[in-house]
Amino acid sequence: DVKVTQSSRYLVKRTGEKVFLECVQDMDHENMFWYRQDPGLGLRLIYFSYDVKMKEKGDIPEGYSVSREKKERFSLILESASTNQTSMYLCASGRNYGYTFGSGTRLTVV
Amino acid sequence: SQQGEEDPQALSIQEGENATMNCSYKTSINNLQWYRQNSGRGLVHLILIRSNEREKHSGRLRVTLDTSKKSSSLLITASRAADTASYFCATDGQDSNYQLIWGAGTKLIIKP
Repeated sequence: DVKVTQSSRYLVKRTGEKVFLECVQDMDHENMFWYRQDPGLGLRLIYFSYDVKMKEKGDIPEGYSVSREKKERFSLILESASTNQTSMYLCASGRNYGYTFGSGTRLTVV
Repeated sequence: SQQGEEDPQALSIQEGENATMNCSYKTSINNLQWYRQNSGRGLVHLILIRSNEREKHSGRLRVTLDTSKKSSSLLITASRAADTASYFCATDGQDSNYQLIWGAGTKLIIKP
């Protein structure tokens, strides 16, 4: 069964901490995506990557960075976590005929 | 980016009834997809309809597409409690670049 795996389901971090969210896919997809999902705001794209070491800003990149050193792994980094980054984070991979999503990481910043 | 609007925002029906959700979008598309999201989980791809198709079926799902109105509908027949979830449409726009564009979602509740 093809999979996108996010390293944590739930995470609690303190304000100012550096946070790493990891995502691994086993489908050999070039494209990978990071979204955040907040009530009433739907899915908002943070960053995406269309190849190793390539990245593009999405709609809300401020406060985030990403790393794609290997094809199967796409990491989202919160350089200095803030309370307004408390959210559900979803990783996806795929092409424009369908994405596969991970189970999501619910991040709480206190 | 979100170009899709879905209505209704929320829908509550009795088990066994049919549920219809609608999605509108703004630009020309290559395809439109529907996804389901159970509470607190990731999204699951349900069905894709191409721009040159008008209707598609998969099990209890029926999707229609009207490119002249830039709209789509998802019909779930004979609903079950397990269909309780949020449903999202996503479009592959002709001018998009690697990305799908998402609707805001419809929250469907099936009452036993």
